[in-house]
Amino acid sequence: GEDVEQSLFLSVREGDSSVINCTYTDSSSTYLYWYKQEPGAGLQLLTYIFSNMDMKQDQRLTVLLNKKDKHLSLRIADTQTGDSAIYFCAEEKSGYSTLTFGKGTMLLVSP
Amino acid sequence: GAGVSQTPSNKVTEKGKYVELRCDPISGHTALYWYRQSLGQGPEFLIYFQGTGAADDSGLPNDRFFAVRPEGSVSTLKIQRTERGDSAVYLCASSPQTGGMETQYFGPGTRLLVL
Repeated sequence: GEDVEQSLFLSVREGDSSVINCTYTDSSSTYLYWYKQEPGAGLQLLTYIFSNMDMKQDQRLTVLLNKKDKHLSLRIADTQTGDSAIYFCAEEKSGYSTLTFGKGTMLLVSP
Repeated sequence: GAGVSQTPSNKVTEKGKYVELRCDPISGHTALYWYRQSLGQGPEFLIYFQGTGAADDSGLPNDRFFAVRPEGSVSTLKIQRTERGDSAVYLCASSPQTGGMETQYFGPGTRLLVL
């Protein structure tokens, strides 16, 4: 099965909060990342969390990590139409420098 | 231009042909990564370089794929005898060094279409 799993699609209204969920299977992962990909563009790093943290907040973004359940979430407050994109969760496993990505969650923000 | 650049941005080729994809990393970045992103999928790791050497090539799907980084800067991904299944976006990323929290900066990708 997939190393990293995400739901494929999320639709919200502008101004609402968005929560994108991710599960991973390798408990030795050291860092977990959220990337954003807009149509025709490369990947942009949004935020990351170290595995010994439970939460990280960065402006409108909040990352929650439940290491016991291997569950990661990204909350976007006051979602804007410009937040419409595909969001990828990725893990960096201990001892490896490469990233393992999920399939991505398409976020659609409607006015 | 301080970002990772990739050329060409688009490449159309015929089945069985040879292609080369180029990546210019951010100046001074010692680590360079190649990923492949098929339609509807997340990026999948192919190979990464630390300096001039391939530190991990476990993601290369078969021996038709090869990559080099002879001077520790620019890298070229080479695909021989292309197949339709090779059609994808090939992404390159670089980071200052490997290990720990080192942000990988991605280029815009090369879209390869094999007819």
